[in-house]
Amino acid sequence: AQTVTQSQPEMSVQEAETVTLSCTYDTSESDYYLFWYKQPPSRQMILVIRQEAYKQQNATENRFSVNFQKAAKSFSLKISDSQLGDAAMYFCAHSGNTPLVFGKGTRLSVIA
Amino acid sequence: DSGVTQTPKHLITATGQRVTLRCSPRSGDLSVYWYQQSLDQGLQFLIQYYNGEERAKGNILERFSAQQFPDLHSELNLSSLELGDSALYFCASSPRGGGGPKETQYFGPGTRLLVL
Repeated sequence: AQTVTQSQPEMSVQEAETVTLSCTYDTSESDYYLFWYKQPPSRQMILVIRQEAYKQQNATENRFSVNFQKAAKSFSLKISDSQLGDAAMYFCAHSGNTPLVFGKGTRLSVIA
Repeated sequence: DSGVTQTPKHLITATGQRVTLRCSPRSGDLSVYWYQQSLDQGLQFLIQYYNGEERAKGNILERFSAQQFPDLHSELNLSSLELGDSALYFCASSPRGGGGPKETQYFGPGTRLLVL
C-alpha cells in the first residue's frame, strides 16, 4: 500500500523568505502522480502543484516549485518569497492505481 | 472556486440519524471521489464513482453508501451516525473518461458534519 510521510508537523517562515516542506512516499508503482494541496483556514483543498513521476523535470508554478527525487522517493515543496496568504496546512499526496493517499500535513505559519 | 459544489455546508444531527451529502462535479468531469477529514484519521479516501459505476473503494464503513446519478452528481449517505463520524466530508472530481486516479482531482468546499 502507498504511504505518504510528512515529517514536519509545523513550520514557520518570515515573510519574503523561502521555506521548504518535506515529503517522502512509498510506492511499488512506476506510474504515479504526486501533489501538494493547500488547506487554508477556510478548509478548502486547493491544488498547489502536480508532478508526474515519469517526468524528470521538477514542476514549477510561480513561487512554488518541487524537488522530486524519484529514487529517494522524496517530493519536497519550496515556497519562495513567502506571503501572509501562504499560511495554511499543506498536504502531500500520492495518486497511482489507487486514489489519493495523503500525508498528515504540515502547518505553515508566515511571520510578518 | 474549483467548480465542484457541495451541499449542505454544515450539518448538525444526532446519533443514530441518517444524513445525505450532495456533490456536483465540475462540468464535464465523469469521476467523483469522496474523502473524510477528521482530527484523528486525517484525510481518508472513501469511495470513487466513474460515470455512474463504483470504481474504487477505500476505508468506507458499511453504514455509509454512495451513488452517482445519470446527471453525474453524487450523494453520500451516512446512517446510524455515531459521534466519531463528525468530520469534514469532501467531494472531488476529475476530468477524463476512464476515471484514472492519476488524474488531478479538484475538491469541493466540503460539508462539515457534527454528530451530537
